[in-house]
Amino acid sequence: DQQVKQNSPSLSVQEGRISILNCDYTNSMFDYFLWYKKYPAEGPTFLISISSIKDKNEDGRFTVFLNKSAKHLSLHIVPSQPGDSAVYFCAALTSYDKVIFGPGTSLSVIP
Amino acid sequence: DSGVTQTPKHLITATGQRVTLRCSPRSGDLSVYWYQQSLDQGLQFLIQYYNGEERAKGNILERFSAQQFPDLHSELNLSSLELGDSALYFCASRPPGQGNTGELFFGEGSRLTVL
Repeated sequence: DQQVKQNSPSLSVQEGRISILNCDYTNSMFDYFLWYKKYPAEGPTFLISISSIKDKNEDGRFTVFLNKSAKHLSLHIVPSQPGDSAVYFCAALTSYDKVIFGPGTSLSVIP
Repeated sequence: DSGVTQTPKHLITATGQRVTLRCSPRSGDLSVYWYQQSLDQGLQFLIQYYNGEERAKGNILERFSAQQFPDLHSELNLSSLELGDSALYFCASRPPGQGNTGELFFGEGSRLTVL
């Protein structure tokens, strides 16, 4: 069974500090991992991705780390800003072109 | 604006009824994905089409069906509706070509309420 898990339903962080969102997966056959951000009443928007052959990808304030041996990835946001408050979904691209999503983590950045 | 258009934005109907949700992908995108998001739940993959052909299937109920037309727009048909079908239904499209990382462009969703 191909699963993507996000075990923390919510996270609160002070503005300016680092936000770390975690994701675990159960299948080693995923090709890419992605993070999406979703505001209320909007569709998810793509944030950053990482190939399964890499261990780090960085884009501005956002960095994704992949630990294949632990089947774990994390998204780091530094520094966190109030506008980052949203639901963050971890997702994975399978070899059959399916993109499956985790349940999401709601991030609140407190001013 | 993602370029993906979904209609209707809101829909209220009764149990046992049938509805059709429509999606127009971004210009040039051949793939369409459908997802269901129930209250406080993640995005459940339903089905994917590529250039008119079904490509992958997820946890889609037998009461649900979909298709992608020659102009690449897609429709998701939900029949014999139950209260538990109330959810946000998202459509997403994906750019063609190798090397695509799986980035999807989502519409704003269709909110279905079954009473």
